[in-house]
Amino acid sequence: AQTVTQSQPEMSVQEAETVTLSCTYDTSENNYYLFWYKQPPSRQMILVIRQEAYKQQNATENRFSVNFQKAAKSFSLKISDSQLGDTAMYFCAFMKHRNQAGTALIFGKGTTLSVSS
Amino acid sequence: GAVVSQHPSWVICKSGTSVKIECRSLDFQATTMFWYRQFPKQSLMLMATSNEGSKATYEQGVEKDKFLINHASLTLSTLTVTSAHPEDSSFYICSAPGAVGYNSPLHFGNGTRLTVT
Repeated sequence: AQTVTQSQPEMSVQEAETVTLSCTYDTSENNYYLFWYKQPPSRQMILVIRQEAYKQQNATENRFSVNFQKAAKSFSLKISDSQLGDTAMYFCAFMKHRNQAGTALIFGKGTTLSVSS
Repeated sequence: GAVVSQHPSWVICKSGTSVKIECRSLDFQATTMFWYRQFPKQSLMLMATSNEGSKATYEQGVEKDKFLINHASLTLSTLTVTSAHPEDSSFYICSAPGAVGYNSPLHFGNGTRLTVT
């Protein structure tokens, strides 16, 4: 079974600073996907970034980037130039590669990020 | 982009009654949908996988007779909480793979906050 571990329940950062959220996972799969989702107070789940395990290059999306270390099974999220709107709960998630039908996401416990001015 | 609509967004019911939650994929077909449950400030826990044209697959520990899932069409899955009790109060979220393919990131509904009195 797959597991996802987020060891930082809460983090705080000032506006414009950079923050890194940690995530480790455990799997015996070779093909899989990793995601970071953001859940603001509205509780809507918003996809932040996605990484395919077969790609060595780290994914980036504007101010968001990941450090994917496949051998170490580590998948951290770096948020640069933090903004007040980044305040949310962040979930790291794992998904197996499937050839047919969809497959569910397995989530970590989440990290609550607070950005202050 | 792919949109998942969930209804109602919140519901209050009396103990012993049943509540139905609908999840619709608005601009794509979803042969598979996933139902998650989330307690306050906690992670999303997968409850079951809804399959169009066949029985749902429930995660270990989830009572299938209590949480009835029906995937009536390629765009609609429903979760019925039967004989609800206060401990069933929670936030329920549905999701579906996007239209790109089976390994698309999941798109989430806005969730349903259920309160059982």
